[in-house]
Amino acid sequence: SQQGEEDPQALSIQEGENATMNCSYKTSINNLQWYRQNSGRGLVHLILIRSNEREKHSGRLRVTLDTSKKSSSLLITASRAADTASYFCATDPPYQNFVFGPGTRLSVLP
Amino acid sequence: NAGVTQTPKFQVLKTGQSMTLQCAQDMNHNSMYWYRQDPGMGLRLIYYSASEGTTDKGEVPNGYNVSRLNKREFSLRLESAAPSQTSVYFCASSPGQRGNTIYFGEGSWLTVV
Repeated sequence: SQQGEEDPQALSIQEGENATMNCSYKTSINNLQWYRQNSGRGLVHLILIRSNEREKHSGRLRVTLDTSKKSSSLLITASRAADTASYFCATDPPYQNFVFGPGTRLSVLP
Repeated sequence: NAGVTQTPKFQVLKTGQSMTLQCAQDMNHNSMYWYRQDPGMGLRLIYYSASEGTTDKGEVPNGYNVSRLNKREFSLRLESAAPSQTSVYFCASSPGQRGNTIYFGEGSWLTVV
């Protein structure tokens, strides 16, 4: 698997439901970030969590980081149709540039 | 704020042709990057510039060259385009390399026929 790999590859939920996507990585990291990409657009930064943090919130977003399991999760609560996008995790290994996973495609159905 | 601006948005090239993708940022960032995005592959780093005057290869540099013209501008050149270079290209910038948010341009769709 890649350094950062999201799971699932695709997710379809109904509006109002919660969406959870996961990211696993292989090496130690300084921090982990989540980005969103709307169709045909560039990536937009959502949230950064540092290696010494376990949980972080931003609005309807909740990110957890478990460095012992080398994994992170992104939870979007009360999803909206506008949350339909691809979500990417980016890891920041020591002495390397950011590494992006292949992404999770989220579809929120009205 | 314009953020990161890249041109052109769309381009069709014939195999063997050359072209340059232009990128400029107005956030006074030190680091700039060029990525390519292919289906199922995520973003792969082509080249980066940690600071003005420096450039380094990323994960997939073959077939590309870059120029950090000044602190604002970072261009990507395809000297002899190949169909394998059909992709979406993203320019990005960040204040520094470590622990910083990366700001992306809107992408350039390149097709090589």
